[in-house]
Amino acid sequence: EVQLSESGGGLVQPGGSLRLSCAASGFTFSNYAMGWVRQAPGKGLEWVSAISGSASITYYADSVKGRFTISRDNSKNTLFLQMNTLRAEDTAVYYCAKVRWAVGDFDYWGQGTLVTVSS
Amino acid sequence: DIQMTQSPSSLSASVGDRVTITCRASQGISNYLAWYQQKPGKVPKLLIYATSTLQSGVPSRFSGSGSGTDFTLTISSLQPEDVATYYCQKYNSAPNTFGQGTKLEIK
Repeated sequence: EVQLSESGGGLVQPGGSLRLSCAASGFTFSNYAMGWVRQAPGKGLEWVSAISGSASITYYADSVKGRFTISRDNSKNTLFLQMNTLRAEDTAVYYCAKVRWAVGDFDYWGQGTLVTVSS
Repeated sequence: DIQMTQSPSSLSASVGDRVTITCRASQGISNYLAWYQQKPGKVPKLLIYATSTLQSGVPSRFSGSGSGTDFTLTISSLQPEDVATYYCQKYNSAPNTFGQGTKLEIK
C-alpha cells in the first residue's frame, strides 16, 4: 500500500524559512517522479514543484521559483521542499504526491501539512 | 504558461442527473489532461488521466472526453457521494497547472 506522510509544517514569520519532508513507502521510490501541490485556505489546488525519479530534473511554478527548492533522498525514500523568503500568500496546506507517469498527474497524495506565514 | 479554465465554477444538480464539467486549455495539450475529485475536508483523488482513462476503482458513471484544448468530465447519473469539488490538470509540460475547480452540490 502506497503511503505518503508529510511533516515540517508550522507557523513562520514573513521572510522566514521552512523545510517540508515527505516519507514514502509501498512503492519503489526512485522509479517515480514526485511533486508538491498546495491549497490555500478555502481555495483551489496549486501545482508547486516536481522532481524526476533520479532527481536530475526539477520543475517549479513561477510563484515559487527562486525561493523554493525541491529535492529527494532515494536512499531514505524521502522528498523535501525547502521554502525560503516565505510570504503571507504561501500560507496553505502542502501536499506531497506521487506522479503516476513521467512528471505528470498524481495518483497518490499525502494528508498534507499546514504552513502558516504570519507575524 | 498554459492556463486552465473550468466551467461552471459551481453547479447544483439532482440525484440521477447527468452532469458535465468543462475544462479549457489556453493552448493545445493533446490528451495530457487529468481530473481529480476532492470531497470536503479530504485529500484530492485522481479520477481520470489521459483525458478518458478511469483510474482503478473509480465508478463507471464517471467519464472523460476531449482533446487539444477542450475537455469534459461527465457523471452519467449523479449520486449523493459525488458531492465534491472537481479539478482538471494539464500535464503535457511543467508547470502542470490545475483548473480553478468546480464545486458540485446536490439540489
